[in-house]
Amino acid sequence: GENVEQHPSTLSVQEGDSAVIKCTYSDSASNYFPWYKQELGKRPQLIIDIRSNVGEKKDQRIAVTLNKTAKHFSLHITETQPEDSAVYFCAASIGDQGAQKLVFGQGTRLTINP
Amino acid sequence: KAGVTQTPRYLIKTRGQQVTLSCSPISGHRSVSWYQQTPGQGLQFLFEYFSETQRNKGNFPGRFSGRQFSNSRSEMNVSTLELGDSALYLCASSLWVSRFYTEAFFGQGTRLTVV
Repeated sequence: GENVEQHPSTLSVQEGDSAVIKCTYSDSASNYFPWYKQELGKRPQLIIDIRSNVGEKKDQRIAVTLNKTAKHFSLHITETQPEDSAVYFCAASIGDQGAQKLVFGQGTRLTINP
Repeated sequence: KAGVTQTPRYLIKTRGQQVTLSCSPISGHRSVSWYQQTPGQGLQFLFEYFSETQRNKGNFPGRFSGRQFSNSRSEMNVSTLELGDSALYLCASSLWVSRFYTEAFFGQGTRLTVV
């Protein structure tokens, strides 16, 4: 299969609280998992990515965890700020190593309430 | 270093017409992918080109086609436009290193409206 399921579709949190977005994938050969942030009217931009040989990666307030056995990965944003409000997409590489493609989740609209 | 450039930014076409969209990748990037973005469906993969060859194709009808030139610039074409083709079309370029996927950089997109 080539599915990437993302939950929740919308998420509203108070400023300063944490936000967690979860994704599951179906292809056991997937080895690259990026997260993109898309602000209104702008292009998607990479915020963090993780490869299958790593279980966790952190960059300041953002972290991603990967559970290969369960085929799921999650984005964690701590100490949320108003500028974190955006749509977030997870993705997984699907297919043979020589010809992989990225399959995206449906997106999560994150709203940070002041 | 210039980013990914897509032209035109906006297009309005009539049902039945055809359209060609252009994407210039970041210099040195040989992989170009195309996505269709709609509010209800998220980012749907159309196809990916590498060194002028289509390596991957998504589940779209044959009306959607593409190509890549020797300078890595890519075009996608949609023939016999339907109302449902109205969407934001994004291209992304990446530096394919050996067999490992690297960051995909997106262009601003072309907003296609079919009336």
